Amino acid sequence: GAVVSQHPSWVICKSGTSVKIECRSLDFQATTMFWYRQFPKQSLMLMATSNEGSKATYEQGVEKDKFLINHASLTLSTLTVTSAHPEDSSFYICRVSGTGNSYEQYFGPGTRLTVT
Amino acid sequence: EDQVTQSPEALRLQEGESSSLNCSYTVSGLRGLFWYRQDPGKGPEFLFTLYSAGEEKEKERLKATLTKKESFLHITAPKPEDSATYLCAVLLSLSGGYNKLIFGAGTRLAVHP
Repeated sequence: GAVVSQHPSWVICKSGTSVKIECRSLDFQATTMFWYRQFPKQSLMLMATSNEGSKATYEQGVEKDKFLINHASLTLSTLTVTSAHPEDSSFYICRVSGTGNSYEQYFGPGTRLTVT
Repeated sequence: EDQVTQSPEALRLQEGESSSLNCSYTVSGLRGLFWYRQDPGKGPEFLFTLYSAGEEKEKERLKATLTKKESFLHITAPKPEDSATYLCAVLLSLSGGYNKLIFGAGTRLAVHP
């Protein structure tokens, strides 16, 4: 199966600062990556779909100016939380989708963001 | 509206006590159903993909089955290390070649010695 990494694995930042989270597909090229947010004891909620070389597609209710997504290459997507507030504290997870006839889905290990 | 429902929300078992987790779905354009295991503070770990009704897959103490309306994750003689949240997700094909993965809320399983 695919190997997906995220960096950092956890981060603490002050309110008002910006934080960048990286998602890397280590062993195959991913034209599409997905970003999820997960609050404690809740399931994963899709935030946005990241497409290589084009603008991300955001789910309803997700502020695109607050959660900036850049998919600069076939192996890297970044999520930047701008002007973070305590309510942005969450577990952020990326997903990589298989290509061609494969519908396999692989998740990164997640990034724990705490905004103080 | 596409929907995925998992039950029970939480399940407590004694070691060795077999049971089943349920994932029911009402969606159009199903491309696959996935089961994941998630430990606290970690990303989901892939367990199984099922593509068509009648399909079954097994891995150690776990067995996943699929019908046209639901999937079951059977756990045989569970051990404490099987304690985790089990997530079910359905993959839908959308127009334009895109896909969408919809998650259930998960079942929190606790296996006690």
